[in-house]
Amino acid sequence: NAGVTQTPKFQVLKTGQSMTLQCAQDMNHEYMSWYRQDPGMGLRLIHYSVGAGITDQGEVPNGYNVSRSTTEDFPLRLLSAAPSQTSVYFCASRRQGNNEKLFFGSGTQLSVL
Amino acid sequence: GDSVTQMEGPVTLSEEAFLTINCTYTATGYPSLFWYVQYPGEGLQLLLKATKADDKGSNKGFEATYRKETTSFHLEKGSVQVSDSAVYFCALTRGAGGFKTIFGAGTRLFVKA
Repeated sequence: NAGVTQTPKFQVLKTGQSMTLQCAQDMNHEYMSWYRQDPGMGLRLIHYSVGAGITDQGEVPNGYNVSRSTTEDFPLRLLSAAPSQTSVYFCASRRQGNNEKLFFGSGTQLSVL
Repeated sequence: GDSVTQMEGPVTLSEEAFLTINCTYTATGYPSLFWYVQYPGEGLQLLLKATKADDKGSNKGFEATYRKETTSFHLEKGSVQVSDSAVYFCALTRGAGGFKTIFGAGTRLFVKA
């Protein structure tokens, strides 16, 4: 079982560059989300989606875009990278419902120089 | 808005010591509460959960009880092992809040042999 697959695992960008972090799940989960993890800050929600064609902002959405054209995929786009976006990014998915657990990808370590 | 507050770490214990990691939350209504664990270099995985007041979640010797009167979900283990060294995250999901999952800042645990 693949679960939640994130690519790439590591990425270095220069300030102002754009890129897309990929996330795919094969569990037919309705809910997908992106978090960033920073020391002392825990996991902060960037964007989430409750189904194809539906996305919403989390706690820290500025500088990031998402789309959900299929149930399986939920890419995160950095439009113009900034050093403040240096972080570890996690994609997570689950079935709909507040009792359901999240399944996490293995993370993407992003450095913006 | 919804929030989760955890005790700051790191927490350093000797093997077989008793562990408590405090977690309190702010949310309207009736959220579901979770503890996730993150081992070095990995994504998060569910440790235990509780979905209504007075429920006790348990797994691998860890326990936490959903206390609505004190809005708390403290994690406990009677005898920790070196293999329990990890970062522990408290989290909540509230259906009326759009089903998004909010995490605390995480507490790092070191267990010495």
